[in-house]
This record gives sequence, C-alpha cells and structure tokens, in this order.
Amino acid sequence: DTEVTQTPKHLVMGMTNKKSLKCEQHMGHRAMYWYKQKAKKPPELMFVYSYEKLSINESVPSRFSPECPNSSLLNLHLHALQPEDSALYLCASSPPNGETQYFGPGTRLLVL
Amino acid sequence: GESVGLHLPTLSVQEGDNSIINCAYSNSASDYFIWYKQESGKGPQFIIDIRSNMDKRQGQRVTVLLNKTVKHLSLQIAATQPGDSAVYFCAVLMTGFQKLVFGTGTRLLVSP
Repeated sequence: DTEVTQTPKHLVMGMTNKKSLKCEQHMGHRAMYWYKQKAKKPPELMFVYSYEKLSINESVPSRFSPECPNSSLLNLHLHALQPEDSALYLCASSPPNGETQYFGPGTRLLVL
Repeated sequence: GESVGLHLPTLSVQEGDNSIINCAYSNSASDYFIWYKQESGKGPQFIIDIRSNMDKRQGQRVTVLLNKTVKHLSLQIAATQPGDSAVYFCAVLMTGFQKLVFGTGTRLLVSP
C-alpha cells in the first residue's frame, strides 16, 4: 500500500479563520513532508518531519504551523492566511533518507 | 545547491508514438533521481527512480536514462496512450539531504 491520504479535499477560508489540514500514511515511513503547489508550477517544499521531529522549515511564514502527533499523522494548522496562500497543499512521506517520496492527492485551498 | 530544468514546457505526440521528456540538473553531487506524473487535480504520482550508480532503468512502458557526464536525465514512454497525458516532473535528491528539487515540468499531450 503506497497511499497517502489527505483531508479535506477542498477548503475555502476567510483571512480570519483557523483551519487544519490533515495527512495520514500507513507505509511505516518516518519522514513526512508538506509542499505547496501553485498552478502550473512544481511543488515547493515547506516542512519536513523526520521521526516526528521538525527537521526542515523552508522559511515558511508563521501563519502556517505544522504538527506531527505520531509517525502516521501530519497536520498543517492555518491561521490568518492571505489570498496569495491559495494553492494546492500536498503531503508526502518517505523513508528517512528522503528517497521515493509518495504524495497524497492534496488539499485545494482558497483564501478569500 | 541544486537547480533542475526541463527542456520543453509542452510535448505533443500521437497515440502510439514514443515520448521522450528531458531534464537537466546542475549539481554533480546529486545521486538520486525520480520522475513523477501529475494529472489535473491530483497529487504527483511516482513513476520510476534511478540512482547515480546506474545509467538506465526500465519499468512498465517507461525507461529512465541518466547521463552523469552532462548531468542529464530523460524519461522515455513507449507506445504513448491518451492516459499518459499529464505534467511530468523530474526531481533530484542529494544523499544526506531530504529535500527533493523539482524541475519545472513538461506537459505531455497525447492525441488519438
């Protein structure tokens, strides 16, 4: 099973809302990732968790707050987002060395 | 660092033709390479990978070629089908780093 699941599939939020994106994998992977993808662009790395610890933060604004409650789950908490944060948010997982990253279907986020 | 570029933003082929998508990378220390397929509204799907100690790797209807001398990677799709229509990304990783660097993507259009 190489499946990474993400919820919700779509999300519309106002600039004052607080929401969370969720990601789950059961492949036993110990590295999990958040990417942001704008239309017609490649995915851009936001955060990496390795063994449930944040190992990479690509200078992401603090209005995005990641959380890794256990080895299977990854959350991205959103607060006070801007319209330019509208994008497809992708979760991925891999073995700890970063190879063979498997992606979820993404959450399409619209900030009004 | 690493930068990755694809040679063509769009490739149009006829059904049944062979397709070749090319990618160039900049850092000779890169040692792991992946091709992803992304269909509209979906997350990137792992197609095939190759390590730097190999020149060629074959999957089902796909072949990846790696030329380390000129830092070039290609994906060949045999007998291209309409279902192969998607954006294809190459991604590059250096051992010890968990960060995949993505190319800009090539849109493959397959006409019947």
